[in-house]
Amino acid sequence: QSALTQPRSVSGSPGQSVTISCTGSSSDVGDSDYVSWYQHRPGKAPKLMIYDVGRRPSGVPDRFSASKSGNTASLTISGLQAEDEADYYCCSYAGNNLYVFGTGTKVTVL
Amino acid sequence: EVQLVESGGGSVQPGRSLRLSCAASGISIDKYTMHWVRQAPGKGLQWVAGISWISANIGYAESVRGRFTISRDNAKNSLYLQMNSLRIEDTALYFCATYRPENSFGYGWFDPWGLGTLVTVSS
Repeated sequence: QSALTQPRSVSGSPGQSVTISCTGSSSDVGDSDYVSWYQHRPGKAPKLMIYDVGRRPSGVPDRFSASKSGNTASLTISGLQAEDEADYYCCSYAGNNLYVFGTGTKVTVL
Repeated sequence: EVQLVESGGGSVQPGRSLRLSCAASGISIDKYTMHWVRQAPGKGLQWVAGISWISANIGYAESVRGRFTISRDNAKNSLYLQMNSLRIEDTALYFCATYRPENSFGYGWFDPWGLGTLVTVSS
């Protein structure tokens, strides 16, 4: 099972918006309503940011939004803040008791 | 507060074995699928294995299938990962994670996660 493809890095100034893509296949992202996104800072536990493609858990700021089209899911951070600097990963169920994460994207706030 | 605490990591030689544990508190894991996810140094997250709430469904990443065994003891509120025939490429920080919602396998999300336990395989 190959990892989902994400850009290695994205960056933006405070207040700007950035979008992270997550490209898979018809066997995972394209066939799943359960794509999720995680924020991970070094030394910390990964944190759920989005579940079920575009739903936000309580406590996650509404500047985080996500969607899916075909085999590609996307996470958008609007109004970028310094605290958003972290690594972000998408994840999808891939069928046959398998799960797959994205390659990860480093978000840098300039 | 839900907490997952991994333990059992360490430094081992290639070909040896190690058993990881994950102790849960603030939650009864008997209703949840549980997973192990790892992160090799400088790399991204990689799903390793998952086990459903009554162990009816179990899955492994291709890279560990046949060498690793995931198990659980709901009475002890704990998750385990038996790692045999360890390879240098198994060196990673190993996280355990709860899969939500209850009684789901494949239609949910990972939340929460532990802080991980480090496994180093080196000669």
